[in-house]
Amino acid sequence: AQSVSQHNHHVILSEAASLELGCNYSYGGTVNLFWYVQYPGQHLQLLLKYFSGDPLVKGIKGFEAEFIKSKFSFNLRKPSVQWSDTAEYFCAARLNTDKLIFGTGTRLQVFP
Amino acid sequence: GAGVSQSPSNKVTEKGKDVELRCDPISGHTALYWYRQSLGQGLEFLIYFQGNSAPDKSGLPSDRFSAERTGGSVSTLTIQRTQQEDSAVYLCASSLSTSINGYTFGSGTRLTVV
Repeated sequence: AQSVSQHNHHVILSEAASLELGCNYSYGGTVNLFWYVQYPGQHLQLLLKYFSGDPLVKGIKGFEAEFIKSKFSFNLRKPSVQWSDTAEYFCAARLNTDKLIFGTGTRLQVFP
Repeated sequence: GAGVSQSPSNKVTEKGKDVELRCDPISGHTALYWYRQSLGQGLEFLIYFQGNSAPDKSGLPSDRFSAERTGGSVSTLTIQRTQQEDSAVYLCASSLSTSINGYTFGSGTRLTVV
C-alpha cells in the first residue's frame, strides 16, 4: 500500500543543535514531496516542496530537504535549530492520485 | 477570502447527535480536501472534490460520514450519529487546481463527542 513513514515521533534538541527528521514513502513512480509544519495553536503551513529537478530543496526559515530516489526518502534538515522551531512536522507525498498522503508527524521540542 | 475558513472552530456534541462542519476555500481554488487529525494518527484523508467531477470518497471511514460541495465553493462535512471515536480535528484544505504545489489548510474544527 502507498504510505508515508516518519520514524521519529518525538525529537528533543537544545538550541543550535542540528536537526534531521526522517521521511520515507512507498511508491515506485513519480512523486511530489512536501514538508508541512504546525506551530502550537496554528494551522498547517507549507515548509518546502520537491517538484522535480534539483533533489536538494530549500524552504523557509533555513530548512532544507533532500530527495533520494534510491532510498525513497525525503529527510528534513536544519543545521542549527532555534526555540521557535518547536512544532510538529509532517511529511507528505503526492503519488499517483491528486491527494496528499501524510505521515504521522514528528513532534520537535527545542529547549533554550 | 484570503485563506481557508472553517467553522465552527470548536464543537462539543453528545454521542448520537449529528454535526455539520463547514469549509470555505480560497476563492478560485477548484480542489477541496477534508482530512481528520487525531492524536498520534497523523492526517487521515477523508474526501476530495475537484471542480464538477465526482468526489473521491475513498477515505470516509463509515456511511455516517458524508460531504457535499455546493456551487464549487463551500463544503459541508456531515457526521451522523456521532461516536466518541469521531473526536478529532477536522481539517479542510484547498488548492488552485491540483495538489502539485501542495495545499493551503484551514485552522480546523476540533470536534469533541461526549
